[in-house]
Amino acid sequence: GQQVMQIPQYQHVQEGEDFTTYCNSSTTLSNIQWYKQRPGGHPVFLIQLVKSGEVKKQKRLTFQFGEAKKNSSLHITATRTTDVGTYFCAGRETSGSRLTFGEGTQLTVNP
Amino acid sequence: KAGVTQTPRYLIKTRGQQVTLSCSPISGHRSVSWYQQTPGQGLQFLFEYFSETQRNKGNFPGRFSGRQFSNSRSEMNVSTLELGDSALYLCASSFGPGTGDSPLHFGNGTRLTVT
Repeated sequence: GQQVMQIPQYQHVQEGEDFTTYCNSSTTLSNIQWYKQRPGGHPVFLIQLVKSGEVKKQKRLTFQFGEAKKNSSLHITATRTTDVGTYFCAGRETSGSRLTFGEGTQLTVNP
Repeated sequence: KAGVTQTPRYLIKTRGQQVTLSCSPISGHRSVSWYQQTPGQGLQFLFEYFSETQRNKGNFPGRFSGRQFSNSRSEMNVSTLELGDSALYLCASSFGPGTGDSPLHFGNGTRLTVT
């Protein structure tokens, strides 16, 4: 079955440093979504990417969808303590199929 | 607009018992998905319901079951509880199929502890 892998599992950074998490699928994806889960909270939707090679920005966050639609990345510029949490990618093989989540990257930001 | 509501928030059960968890989706959302979250295992997909029909099912034993009612509310049931069932169970709602794969809106979850 479809597998979605995320690296790294953990990332510790100093406030102000950049952060990147990578997501790789064993199969071609129809679309990919990104979620953020704060400690003790629930996952919150950040963004969805649909097109091959798509790049979207949300302030300090940049999301990319690979040309082959099998990988994606989330890059945070100049991290802040408010960025702390676990970032999950989630992909669908086809539109309407189940959403498969990666294992997540837990980000810690030291002030 | 009220968010996704899950009840109860916390539950403690003993091995062999059964449990029912409830989820009320956002008004207008017809799709409900259930996920199990454990440390180091991420979010494991249990099942997805749309218009009272199970659309997708994850790789969990038959002890895990669910259903959806005509008002889109959903319940999941776990029978013959095992220690390994201890986890955070998250429910998520979305508009559903045919809506461009709309994002999931998660509830706060039910923390189940099996002793």
